[in-house]
Amino acid sequence: AQSVTQPDIHITVSEGASLELRCNYSYGATPYLFWYVQSPGQGLQLLLKYFSGDTLVQGIKGFEAEFKRSQSSFNLRKPSVHWSDAAEYFCAVGNGNKLVFGAGTILRVKS
Amino acid sequence: KAGVTQTPRYLIKTRGQQVTLSCSPISGHRSVSWYQQTPGQGLQFLFEYFSETQRNKGNFPGRFSGRQFSNSRSEMNVSTLELGDSALYLCASSLSPGQSYEQYFGPGTRLTVT
Repeated sequence: AQSVTQPDIHITVSEGASLELRCNYSYGATPYLFWYVQSPGQGLQLLLKYFSGDTLVQGIKGFEAEFKRSQSSFNLRKPSVHWSDAAEYFCAVGNGNKLVFGAGTILRVKS
Repeated sequence: KAGVTQTPRYLIKTRGQQVTLSCSPISGHRSVSWYQQTPGQGLQFLFEYFSETQRNKGNFPGRFSGRQFSNSRSEMNVSTLELGDSALYLCASSLSPGQSYEQYFGPGTRLTVT
């Protein structure tokens, strides 16, 4: 069965520091991969997606992610974190028309 | 273009009651999916509708049901509410079914069962 693992429940970074959120997936075929962000009391906003092609994908708000098939990973990165990036981040894999989500990583940004 | 809208945003119900939640997709989107989000179970897929037909269903009891109208708006219903049904219910719309189509989420309906 498809599954997504986000090993870090919480991550705290200083404002201006770089960020990497980890995501590992289990999927038999070529995966469709997504990163979403959720601010408190809000729905999910799509940051970026990977379907095929270039393994480094750019998203909104300065985020990027790299697909590594050999490691079954799709880690999210940002070179310089802003206080407004504090939120919960979800990695997901597409399975048919449903998304299978990881448990999420809560990002805290300290000034 | 307006995003996905969900009504109501907040609901408080009593055990044993039933509830109906509504979702209006982005204009032109014809596929609607529902997800339940809880602290313990995370985000779980409930069901997906396209062309007024349920195409896919998650592992939830029959108390959870839904439908889609000809204008693509969707409703989900939960009967005989249990305390464990307290959750954020998220609706997502996409142009068409299939994992290659991006899903856009609404703000959710926060259901509290007392």
